[in-house]
Formats: sequence, C-alpha cells, structure tokens
Amino acid sequence: ETGVTQTPRHLVMGMTNKKSLKCEQHLGHNAMYWYKQSAKKPLELMFVYSLEERVENNSVPSRFSPECPNSSHLFLHLHTLQPEDSALYLCASSDLVRQGGTDTQYFGPGTRLTVL
Amino acid sequence: AQKITQTQPGMFVQEKEAVTLDCTYDTSDPSYGLFWYKQPSSGEMIFLIYQGSYDQQNATEGRYSLNFQKARKSANLVISASQLGDSAMYFCAMREANTDKLIFGTGTRLQVFP
Repeated sequence: ETGVTQTPRHLVMGMTNKKSLKCEQHLGHNAMYWYKQSAKKPLELMFVYSLEERVENNSVPSRFSPECPNSSHLFLHLHTLQPEDSALYLCASSDLVRQGGTDTQYFGPGTRLTVL
Repeated sequence: AQKITQTQPGMFVQEKEAVTLDCTYDTSDPSYGLFWYKQPSSGEMIFLIYQGSYDQQNATEGRYSLNFQKARKSANLVISASQLGDSAMYFCAMREANTDKLIFGTGTRLQVFP
C-alpha cells in the first residue's frame, strides 16, 4: 500500500450506532488530519495530530472522537450522529514544516458517510 | 473574512486548450504557502502544485503552472493542453506560517469537452 488509505470507503449508519473510520499513511509523515467535506461548503478541518498529540480541535461536537495510536494510524470514532453529519470525511498527512518537512498535505480517498 | 476566494463555480474548456482557474487570498502574514488540489468524482484530493510566498519564480509541475501575483494576492492555476481526465473540482488552499491549518476555497468545477 502506498500513500494514504481510508476504510471504509462508504458507510451508512443509524443515529444510535457506533462506528469508526480508519486512516493509515505509508509516507513516514509526522502529522495527520481529519477534514469534513459537506455539499457546497469548503473543506472543514476537524482535528490535527502532530507527533501523535492532538494540537487542533476545531469546535467539533463530542460525538466525533479522534484517536491517534501512532504516527501512521488515525481513527475517527463516531457515536449518536445526526443526519447533518452526513458528508465525505477525508484524512490527510504531512511532514510538519517546524519539524523540517515540506508541509504539503496528502489526502486519502475519503469515507462517504450517510447518517439515517 | 474569507481567506481564500474562488469566484468561478464552474468552468468549461475544450480539450487541448489552456484554462486558468482563479484564486485570491487574504493574509497579513508575510510567510505562507499556497496549494492547488484536484478532486475527481471519486473524492480523493490530489495535490497538484505548491507556491511559497518567498519563491521568486512561479511554480510549475508538468501541465500545471501557478500564476503567482503577490501584490494582487492572487494564485491562479493554469492548466495547459487540457485533457478529458482533467474534469474535476479544483481547490485552492493556503497555509499561514506557524500553523498546521490549510484553509480551502469553495472550489471550481472544471469540465473538459472534446
């Protein structure tokens, strides 16, 4: 596997379900990101993990819970979601500039989430 | 205030022609980076090109070039010799110094026709 992978690619869940999105990067990067892309809205940054520590939490509701067990893996745990949470969830990784990296973010293919 | 503005919701171009996608940005930070991404219907955001605020020359990557006009705060993407596979959404993004945040524009949908 190369680049950034995400599973599942599609997910349909009810409002009472609990599910998790998985992201894995094979680029040796030290930062990982979760973005939300809703229809007709700009991409919204949700969370940033730098060297496995969360450094950004953009006022995201607590029903979204990120986890970064190591620099290659990132999870987004979902519970009691709302229909308005239906969106494309994109994961990205980069090498941080302050760590000597180029900071270009490389994205995975996304998980298209539908909440019924 | 909106940081990244893409004023063209949609653009059409004929195959083999060149097309320019507009992007203007707003920042008071002298150090920043500008990015263009392509998003096909499959959803993946594909990195195309990067321009640093201190770069003296316009960035180029194959058929992609970035027309960087610092005084105007514009960073337009030029795609030369368009191909049918170039049909996609294109997003301009900016990262200000000392942050890990990419701020995205609303995108431009490019359609290439034969």
